[in-house]
Amino acid sequence: GAVVSQHPSWVICKSGTSVKIECRSLDFQATTMFWYRQFPKQSLMLMATSNEGSKATYEQGVEKDKFLINHASLTLSTLTVTSAHPEDSSFYICSAIGTSGARETQYFGPGTRLLVL
Amino acid sequence: DAKTTQPNSMESNEEEPVHLPCNHSTISGTDYIHWYRQLPSQGPEYVIHGLTSNVNNRMASLAIAEDRKSSTLILHRATLRDAAVYYCILQGGNTPLVFGKGTRLSVIA
Repeated sequence: GAVVSQHPSWVICKSGTSVKIECRSLDFQATTMFWYRQFPKQSLMLMATSNEGSKATYEQGVEKDKFLINHASLTLSTLTVTSAHPEDSSFYICSAIGTSGARETQYFGPGTRLLVL
Repeated sequence: DAKTTQPNSMESNEEEPVHLPCNHSTISGTDYIHWYRQLPSQGPEYVIHGLTSNVNNRMASLAIAEDRKSSTLILHRATLRDAAVYYCILQGGNTPLVFGKGTRLSVIA
């Protein structure tokens, strides 16, 4: 299947700093990528939909000024957590739509674990 | 997207078949049935998807009820590496996948 990578795989930062997470589709072009986060023992929650060349669409309750998303190319989307605080500590997962057979399928990255001290 | 209902947890012995059920009584005619699994500390992994007919791939089989109100993911021989949370998700169009709580599968050696 299609491959999606994320970098870094984990990051520890001090409260108040900004952290950038990259999501790449390695062997296909993705016009649409999604960002999710997952708190311990909970399911994935969609944060935003990222479309190449346009502004991201954020889910209700997700602050767009805090979670900056840039999708400047067909293979790269970035999520920047600005002025991170301990409550932003979570597992951030991106996904991209690729083609599996006749149907487009969402493929997920390995996730980035963020710990804010 | 229509809602799905899965058991919170299931247990299987290694090398035995596992049948993971999913109820989706409010499924619409255009909803695809997707199955993903998530191993600890990893992103979800695509397993299989289908619309009306049963599907097989190298990972699993998907059996879809004739009325499409339920489906079953079949792992033919469970291994320890199959221990994960399995998510059954309905998707209409190219909307993002919405995850429920899934079924936590434990595999006993």
